[in-house]
Amino acid sequence: DTGVSQDPRHKITKRGQNVTFRCDPISEHNRLYWYRQTLGQGPEFLTYFQNEAQLEKSRLLSDRFSAERPKGSFSTLEIQRTEQGDSAMYLCASSLDRGIGPQHFGDGTRLSIL
Amino acid sequence: RKEVEQDPGPFNVPEGATVAFNCTYSNSASQSFFWYRQDCRKEPKLLMSVYSSGNEDGRFTAQLNRASQYISLLIRDSKLSDSATYLCVVNIGYGQNFVFGPGTRLSVLP
Repeated sequence: DTGVSQDPRHKITKRGQNVTFRCDPISEHNRLYWYRQTLGQGPEFLTYFQNEAQLEKSRLLSDRFSAERPKGSFSTLEIQRTEQGDSAMYLCASSLDRGIGPQHFGDGTRLSIL
Repeated sequence: RKEVEQDPGPFNVPEGATVAFNCTYSNSASQSFFWYRQDCRKEPKLLMSVYSSGNEDGRFTAQLNRASQYISLLIRDSKLSDSATYLCVVNIGYGQNFVFGPGTRLSVLP
């Protein structure tokens, strides 16, 4: 399978714990995006990388959230001191670095905070 | 005003019907537009890009109206398998974030 893959698919954790998600984009895609989606809403942009550079971060991304893409391939999204409001689907997408092309999404990581 | 707005629906239509959705955007500098489809508890998947001249892909037609700042999606001869949420996506510039609408839910009934 050469699509975008995310791990884990589901994460259940207690409030206050730290969690980390991984995204492996399509191999030739330079751009990588993280989104958060809650029930009944469209995905909300969190951050975006071009290769290893994090070029944009949403105001939604509090200081508890950090994302990395150290070698320009896979990316991680960490949430520290999780809160109930962090419960959501976290989606990763990637696209080619040519113009403004469509994004290809992974299956997402569903986070549930107890 | 939200950046991208859609009627959340649901739109309940019988098989074979024609249904149309609109999506309005607030930023006149928006450059790229897409329709994505999302099935329940699944990831969004690209349905089609929206070009200035309008474009068609089988039963699906997308149009862009820059003057009124909206895009539309028309589905002809609806199938049961078309039941999903349709997300409008707008990109306001090169490399910037993509803004998704809340989605319009479509249910095609037998």
